[in-house]
Amino acid sequence: SQQGEEDPQALSIQEGENATMNCSYKTSINNLQWYRQNSGRGLVHLILIRSNEREKHSGRLRVTLDTSKKSSSLLITASRAADTASYFCATDAGNYGQNFVFGPGTRLSVLP
Amino acid sequence: SQTIHQWPATLVQPVGSPLSLECTVEGTSNPNLYWYRQAAGRGLQLLFYSVGIGQISSEVPQNLSASRPQDRQFILSSKKLLLSDSGFYLCAWKGRGARNNSPLHFGNGTRLTVT
Repeated sequence: SQQGEEDPQALSIQEGENATMNCSYKTSINNLQWYRQNSGRGLVHLILIRSNEREKHSGRLRVTLDTSKKSSSLLITASRAADTASYFCATDAGNYGQNFVFGPGTRLSVLP
Repeated sequence: SQTIHQWPATLVQPVGSPLSLECTVEGTSNPNLYWYRQAAGRGLQLLFYSVGIGQISSEVPQNLSASRPQDRQFILSSKKLLLSDSGFYLCAWKGRGARNNSPLHFGNGTRLTVT
């Protein structure tokens, strides 16, 4: 069964607006990671947050983690058309990160 | 710097034909290697992972197999393709070691269409 579940499944916003995507998971984790995928391409790692961290920033990205609720959110501020992509969360729960579990993703469309 | 190569980029194969997808990693040694499949508009399903040469773990029963003949080479194979094998196949690597907190690095994927 899926460990991570992103919400919403699809999101359409105007350029300059903020985009928020959420991820829920079911079991204990070592860390949670967010990836981006442009259409027809591989995934690119965006940001990793450890289980003992609550918030992390990277440029226009802000990730939060609430282990009590087993949820995470990804905020993209001041979105651009180039941010249009699918965004996935992945949970790392195995020993030495032997495997990850990905959610089904959020398709973000940023309209110019 | 580390790079990952995955080929071919696209492949159209008839039902019942064999399959071989190859993935190689450069610039790192002893990586964990992964094969994922992604159905259209969906998330990633882990198919196989490997922690060393000749060591393969399968996550789901299927018509596919994987091999790791060299440290930085990971091959996905099938003897007879099924229509349901169509999808987008992604190879990925992750650094080893005691630290869990490192990301996956993906190749650009292979779009397989079984006709």
